[in-house]
Amino acid sequence: DTAVSQTPKYLVTQMGNDKSIKCEQNLGHDTMYWYKQDSKKFLKIMFSYNNKELIINETVPNRFSPKSPDKAHLNLHINSLELGDSAVYFCASTRKSRGVTDTQYFGPGTRLTVL
Amino acid sequence: SQKIEQNSEALNIQEGKTATLTCNYTNYSPAYLQWYRQDPGRGPVFLLLIRENEKEKRKERLKVTFDTTLKQSLFHITASQPADSATYLCALSNSNSGYALNFGKGTSLLVTP
Repeated sequence: DTAVSQTPKYLVTQMGNDKSIKCEQNLGHDTMYWYKQDSKKFLKIMFSYNNKELIINETVPNRFSPKSPDKAHLNLHINSLELGDSAVYFCASTRKSRGVTDTQYFGPGTRLTVL
Repeated sequence: SQKIEQNSEALNIQEGKTATLTCNYTNYSPAYLQWYRQDPGRGPVFLLLIRENEKEKRKERLKVTFDTTLKQSLFHITASQPADSATYLCALSNSNSGYALNFGKGTSLLVTP
């Protein structure tokens, strides 16, 4: 059984398009995250949601908009894609709520290529 | 600004030896420090977590130490095997960031037979 799944695994698109990446976790976790891993393999937090509420929004262009329809899902919508958005995007989830931390479980990643 | 540095981008060792990876940080007060393993084309996988009031944690062939005075963590893999070859990521978190992980750039470990 897949714990954290992402779709699609690969996404190739033209500059200026709008695209979405979906994430689902079947672990019953309360908190979900989006991370971006750039070409230099540096992994950086973008957003964090706890029980469908946004709790972290790092310095990310407002072209990126996360949406959490329920605790098990956190989707990432990107408007007006730019070349610099090309990266691997990872979704992650963790069991604990605010105030404590626990291990994070990562999805397999979505490789976004903007042409 | 916060900085998390892993000592080297790449580390090559011979099978059977102990691999030691270093994570140093500045301008940060982590409550937790974690180590993850990442294989090519895959997401990071959790290995060990250590809290700020703990000095050492072990799990099978893995050992992590945490020195908040030196602002450093050491990650050891004993009796290393070629299957241990991967990128190892150090990650820090505290309440300021909602416990989201702040990662170092990783160390690529290659264990040769």
